[in-house]
Amino acid sequence: EAGVTQFPSHSVIEKGQTVTLRCDPISGHDNLYWYRRVMGKEIKFLLHFVKESKQDESGMPNNRFLAERTGGTYSTLKVQPAELEDSGVYFCASSQDIRQINSPLHFGNGTRLTVT
Amino acid sequence: LAKTTQPISMDSYEGQEVNITCSHNNIATNDYITWYQQFPSQGPRFIIQGYKTKVTNEVASLFIPADRKSSTLSLPRVSLSDTAVYYCLVGDNYGQNFVFGPGTRLSVLP
Repeated sequence: EAGVTQFPSHSVIEKGQTVTLRCDPISGHDNLYWYRRVMGKEIKFLLHFVKESKQDESGMPNNRFLAERTGGTYSTLKVQPAELEDSGVYFCASSQDIRQINSPLHFGNGTRLTVT
Repeated sequence: LAKTTQPISMDSYEGQEVNITCSHNNIATNDYITWYQQFPSQGPRFIIQGYKTKVTNEVASLFIPADRKSSTLSLPRVSLSDTAVYYCLVGDNYGQNFVFGPGTRLSVLP
């Protein structure tokens, strides 16, 4: 079974530019989450999709961040325009059935975003 | 959201058993206890999950007392490759309710 894959693994952009991060969850996982860790801080929740619907986006920092999950498969997270404080590692995770024990989150290896 | 407290760091030697204890005094009835392992430049990796008593899998054991206010992750016979950060998370399996703390940085020495 392929794990959660994220692309790109690294991205370096200038302030004001746009960047789009992509996440491919494990096949069959309806739940998809985005998290991020900014420098020196803990991993924080951004948002949660159930299939193609946004279930909870309470963690999104501001309206420069836009997440989509067309067709309920892969997801993209766009940052436009990027600011210096957006630098960090963005993780994607997926899970199968949150109502069951041992249906935990499976994380990708993250995208390291550097805004200069 | 249940908060957790765990040691910031621990040192061990190869071949030893390592026990990492996590406190979660305000755990709710519906909450599970889940442990993740994270290596540098990788995402957190699921180790084990439990609700009460003891759970064991091929890599670890999880001990949960009756009051569920704490839990202990036990790693048998650690090796150098077990050097990582270990996170204790408490909540239902709704990922938005996971509160990541700084974790425990385990260093396994030769």
